[in-house]
Amino acid sequence: GAGVSQSPSNKVTEKGKDVELRCDPISGHTALYWYRQSLGQGLEFLIYFQGNSAPDKSGLPSDRFSAERTGGSVSTLTIQRTQQEDSAVYLCASSLGRATNEKLFFGSGTQLSVL
Amino acid sequence: AQSVTQPDIHITVSEGASLELRCNYSYGATPYLFWYVQSPGQGLQLLLKYFSGDTLVQGIKGFEAEFKRSQSSFNLRKPSVHWSDAAEYFCAVRADNNNDMRFGAGTRLTVKP
Repeated sequence: GAGVSQSPSNKVTEKGKDVELRCDPISGHTALYWYRQSLGQGLEFLIYFQGNSAPDKSGLPSDRFSAERTGGSVSTLTIQRTQQEDSAVYLCASSLGRATNEKLFFGSGTQLSVL
Repeated sequence: AQSVTQPDIHITVSEGASLELRCNYSYGATPYLFWYVQSPGQGLQLLLKYFSGDTLVQGIKGFEAEFKRSQSSFNLRKPSVHWSDAAEYFCAVRADNNNDMRFGAGTRLTVKP
């Protein structure tokens, strides 16, 4: 597609439920990032995928969070047993994956509300 | 690890006035520095970036930023603000040896008519 696509755009869930957030990066982009933006906070790095390398999971806040990237393209961020503090906008970004200084292209995010 | 501080949470300027948004970073070596803008309901868009060379970098929409190593700063400037510049601005820093781009907390810009 023309840009990074995220779905759903909004997700309301009950505490304790599992949720899956999807990201379709720009075609040909080998690098994919997940960030979390809480109200009044900056962007918090969660996880990074680069090609077939093992993902950098150093930003995941707890073991309730996990992410996969199938076939080097689509990525799914899963949050198990959601808590109210998980409420945030979850942003996905992709880049070509060739240089450290390259531009990230962001999706519009998924607004997650945990009731 | 690298980190970013944006001291101003919210700034209000009049349309046509000049603008400077502050950004301070912490990193031992030369960082890669970025400014992103997030307009209401929009994704993040890159305004400009610095990684080497001329310390004054030009970006889109008339923005510029100056890298000052002595002050560990990368402030964003615009000589004359337009109403459409109202948005959230994020400064970001990335080290040259990891994949973690750290963002500041953001500065919300309001433009008065």
